[in-house]
Amino acid sequence: GNSVTQMEGPVTLSEEAFLTINCTYTATGYPSLFWYVQYPGEGLQLLLKATKADDKGSNKGFEATYRKETTSFHLEKGSVQVSDSAVYFCALTQYSSASKIIFGSGTRLSIRP
Amino acid sequence: NAGVTQTPKFQVLKTGQSMTLQCAQDMNHNSMYWYRQDPGMGLRLIYYSASEGTTDKGEVPNGYNVSRLNKREFSLRLESAAPSQTSVYFCASSERGRGTEAFFGQGTRLTVV
Repeated sequence: GNSVTQMEGPVTLSEEAFLTINCTYTATGYPSLFWYVQYPGEGLQLLLKATKADDKGSNKGFEATYRKETTSFHLEKGSVQVSDSAVYFCALTQYSSASKIIFGSGTRLSIRP
Repeated sequence: NAGVTQTPKFQVLKTGQSMTLQCAQDMNHNSMYWYRQDPGMGLRLIYYSASEGTTDKGEVPNGYNVSRLNKREFSLRLESAAPSQTSVYFCASSERGRGTEAFFGQGTRLTVV
């Protein structure tokens, strides 16, 4: 079946450091890939997405590229800020009548000033 | 713009009590979901509904029932609460289609004592 594996946290970085959170997936066909972010005490919200191979999603300085050859969708940011502290979830959907969302386990990111 | 609204936000139950978590969305989405989030476990799908009148089990359906009352509302019922059901519950909705994002409620923090 479909699954998403992302790097375990917590990840702690200093402000202005480079961030990578790894995400790989298992799916048949051509899933859509997502990164969601959860700030403390809130629900999840979409950070970025990509719907086909080689697409790059970007938002708020974060980027991720849909790599079909490596089945990966790694999240990157060049210079993190304290306000980026949150839990990040990689996810996929397969287009079907159900469009069920499959989530990774989440990675908690903490940024030190 | 309300999006996805969950009630209540917090609840404490005694073992064996029953309760219903309410969820409503105002985006005319076809698909709705209930997830639970436990520390270190990410999000696990309890039930989902691809359209009005249909519901399907997710990963962890035992101990729960759902009702898709109409297109807007999707409720989750705990018939006889157990301490293992202590968790944060999230409702989400999405439209069918390639690459469509899910919208989440703020969550219900449930404690069963």
